[in-house]
Amino acid sequence: GAVVSQHPSWVICKSGTSVKIECRSLDFQATTMFWYRQFPKQSLMLMATSNEGSKATYEQGVEKDKFLINHASLTLSTLTVTSAHPEDSSFYICSARDRGHTGELFFGEGSRLTVL
Amino acid sequence: QKEVEQDPGPLSVPEGAIVSLNCTYSNSAFQYFMWYRQYSRKGPELLMYTYSSGNKEDGRFTAQVDKSSKYISLFIRDSQPSDSATYLCAMTLTGTASKLTFGTGTRLQVTL
Repeated sequence: GAVVSQHPSWVICKSGTSVKIECRSLDFQATTMFWYRQFPKQSLMLMATSNEGSKATYEQGVEKDKFLINHASLTLSTLTVTSAHPEDSSFYICSARDRGHTGELFFGEGSRLTVL
Repeated sequence: QKEVEQDPGPLSVPEGAIVSLNCTYSNSAFQYFMWYRQYSRKGPELLMYTYSSGNKEDGRFTAQVDKSSKYISLFIRDSQPSDSATYLCAMTLTGTASKLTFGTGTRLQVTL
């Protein structure tokens, strides 16, 4: 199956710093990527929908100035958590939609962020 | 009320048992229903999807949808220790690659 790669898989940072997470579709082109956040023992919550070449669409309650999303190419979307705080510590997962004939959705392995 | 309700478990069964995982939903507009498996510290992987009421079988897995009751199930036959994971139901309004609404996930442990 198709592969979606996330990097880094885990990151620890100090409060107030910014962290960038990359999501790459390795063997297919993805016009749409989705960013999710998952707190321990909770479900995935959609943060935003990222379309290549346009601004991301954020879900209600998600601060777009805090969670910057860039989808500059058909294989790469980035999520930057700006001025991270301990409450931003979470598991961030991206998914990418194969724009080919399947249109299937594939998930990355996730990135665990811990803010000290 | 959450749009999708799922018993978080944990659910512990012996190897070889039949497992039943369930979700209920409140939005009758949901059209596509999926089950994902998520191993610890990994992203979800799609197990099955269906868009009509009834049963769909794939090997040891059977997905069941009852749109009139807004209830979906995943059955696992002859469960194996390798099935130990969190199982998430998800549903969308339009198509399997659209915005997904997830259940909280049920943690399953299959013991030897």
